[in-house]
Amino acid sequence: AQSVAQPEDQVNVAEGNPLTVKCTYSVSGNPYLFWYVQYPNRGLQFLLKYITGDNLVKGSYGFEAEFNKSQTSFHLKKPSALVSDSALYFCAVRDNSNSGYALNFGKGTSLLVTP
Amino acid sequence: DTGVSQNPRHKITKRGQNVTFRCDPISEHNRLYWYRQTLGQGPEFLTYFQNEAQLEKSRLLSDRFSAERPKGSFSTLEIQRTEQGDSAMYLCASSPRLAVSSTDTQYFGPGTRLTVL
Repeated sequence: AQSVAQPEDQVNVAEGNPLTVKCTYSVSGNPYLFWYVQYPNRGLQFLLKYITGDNLVKGSYGFEAEFNKSQTSFHLKKPSALVSDSALYFCAVRDNSNSGYALNFGKGTSLLVTP
Repeated sequence: DTGVSQNPRHKITKRGQNVTFRCDPISEHNRLYWYRQTLGQGPEFLTYFQNEAQLEKSRLLSDRFSAERPKGSFSTLEIQRTEQGDSAMYLCASSPRLAVSSTDTQYFGPGTRLTVL
């Protein structure tokens, strides 16, 4: 079985400050990990993914994420938050030992960046 | 716009009616996925096509749901005898076929929001 947990329903941060959105995962094999962002009444936009290699992954809009195998985490980070980053963020996992292609998503974390 | 498109964007129906949604994937993407998203939750996988073949179905896809991709391009998702519990956002995604297929990135459409009265 594969699953992800996003322990925070909401994260508040002031504009210009660093932000972190947390994600932990559980898989049988090795994980493929993804972050997506969703703006109101919109579909999901791909931000970044970890497949293998360097634990620090850089993605769109200045976001990055760090894969930590020992802590089974894949936290999303940005050095300096923008008001326009306010949105719903989803972490997703796929187990590479599973022949299926479905992504398993967390419940989402609402990010609010205040001016 | 060369992204995934979905129609209609919104659908309001009465309980017991049938509804059909359409998804047009990114051109030349041979994999297509349907997900369902309810309020306050992340998307949940429903089904997956590779070309015209439906290769994977979730237990969420009850016998009232059917999906097709007849020519390997666009796909339709039909819900028969709708129930209020079917109210949700239905998301479609597509991905290209890569050499290492398991690393495909899924690109999502804007979704169809279904409201069952």
